[in-house]
Amino acid sequence: DQQVKQNSPSLSVQEGRISILNCDYTNSMFDYFLWYKKYPAEGPTFLISISSIKDKNEDGRFTVFLNKSAKHLSLHIVPSQPGDSAVYFCAASAGNNDMRFGAGTRLTVKP
Amino acid sequence: DAGVIQSPRHEVTEMGQEVTLRCKPISGHNSLFWYRQTMMRGLELLIYFNNNVPIDDSGMPEDRFSAKMPNASFSTLKIQPSEPRDSAVYFCADRVGGAGELFFGEGSRLTVL
Repeated sequence: DQQVKQNSPSLSVQEGRISILNCDYTNSMFDYFLWYKKYPAEGPTFLISISSIKDKNEDGRFTVFLNKSAKHLSLHIVPSQPGDSAVYFCAASAGNNDMRFGAGTRLTVKP
Repeated sequence: DAGVIQSPRHEVTEMGQEVTLRCKPISGHNSLFWYRQTMMRGLELLIYFNNNVPIDDSGMPEDRFSAKMPNASFSTLKIQPSEPRDSAVYFCADRVGGAGELFFGEGSRLTVL
């Protein structure tokens, strides 16, 4: 049962443009959402997070938006850079419990 | 701080053999997670521990899989007997208390022939 879903396996954008990665979840108990970035042969690394009491969190070029009514969150990267090319995982947790991940979206930023 | 350390980084074994993956979490962190990454399912949660106690092992695929955390500094994931469909990258991660982010190891790539 996939409680966190990333329906786009891949995304390709031009350098300098905006990258938008989407994520949907089914468990209404989730109250903390995160995005991780993964390069080949490395473990995922934390990128940005958002609490369910907020609808937006920004950190430099990265912004996460949360729409609780739609059970949807997105990650915006502006401007996109070639070094952003990686697999991005969406994750969610409910309190001090387990953390569930989506299947990932492979982002390619073309120079 | 060396981060989360996993061993071995790569393991190639034959079907039917026992496989043991090891994890050394960051000192002082009190939650430990084991994930498996496959192309089809992404990062699947296998099991997680809080204060060395297994909390949820519902993600463990079969009885062939077992995990232990004998102390706060060490955990193992064992597969016995291994099968080709177990081939994947296995990640260990830990978390400082609360709903904080996870810190991942570099993973153990398992190939079962």
